[in-house]
Amino acid sequence: AQSVTQLGSHVSVSEGALVLLRCNYSSSVPPYLFWYVQYPNQGLQLLLKYTSAATLVKGINGFEAEFKKSETSFHLTKPSAHMSDAAEYFCAVSDAEGAQKLVFGQGTRLTINP
Amino acid sequence: GAGVSQSPSNKVTEKGKDVELRCDPISGHTALYWYRQSLGQGLEFLIYFQGNSAPDKSGLPSDRFSAERTGGSVSTLTIQRTQQEDSAVYLCASSLVQLGNSPLHFGNGTRLTVT
Repeated sequence: AQSVTQLGSHVSVSEGALVLLRCNYSSSVPPYLFWYVQYPNQGLQLLLKYTSAATLVKGINGFEAEFKKSETSFHLTKPSAHMSDAAEYFCAVSDAEGAQKLVFGQGTRLTINP
Repeated sequence: GAGVSQSPSNKVTEKGKDVELRCDPISGHTALYWYRQSLGQGLEFLIYFQGNSAPDKSGLPSDRFSAERTGGSVSTLTIQRTQQEDSAVYLCASSLVQLGNSPLHFGNGTRLTVT
């Protein structure tokens, strides 16, 4: 079964600094990969998704993620953090067997320091 | 347009009572998912519906948990004889078709507290 590991349950960066949130998945078969964001007291919103069309995926709010098959990674980055980026971020991968559900990582809480 | 709607938004219940959580998916979405989010945990898959049938119930924690979906639309998650460890945020999501290229759209969740 698929599993997803997000390194770092909490990440803190200064406003304007680079944001890097790490995600590794277990399967050797390239699945569908997603990043979701959860702002305080809100539901999860889709940030971006990888569906094999391109290894570098651009999402909303200036975020992007690069799929690296050799490293089974799908790290999320943003060149310059904004205060409004403070949220919890979840990496998710489709279940390799039939792609019928998403398996989520534990989440990374991003804090932005002024 | 309207998103995924969940009710109630908050529920406090006594240990041993039964609770029902409701999910209204986006109109036309055939797939519906229930997840659970506990404090400090990621999202735990519970059950998935395609239409009214549930091909995957593998995430239901025990036989106290059940779910149904009627008319290919509204779904109800029922927890019988609630326990304190059932306290969590229960999230519902829907997608246009079976997952693959179709992202999940989440509701805001029901926060369940068992006292």
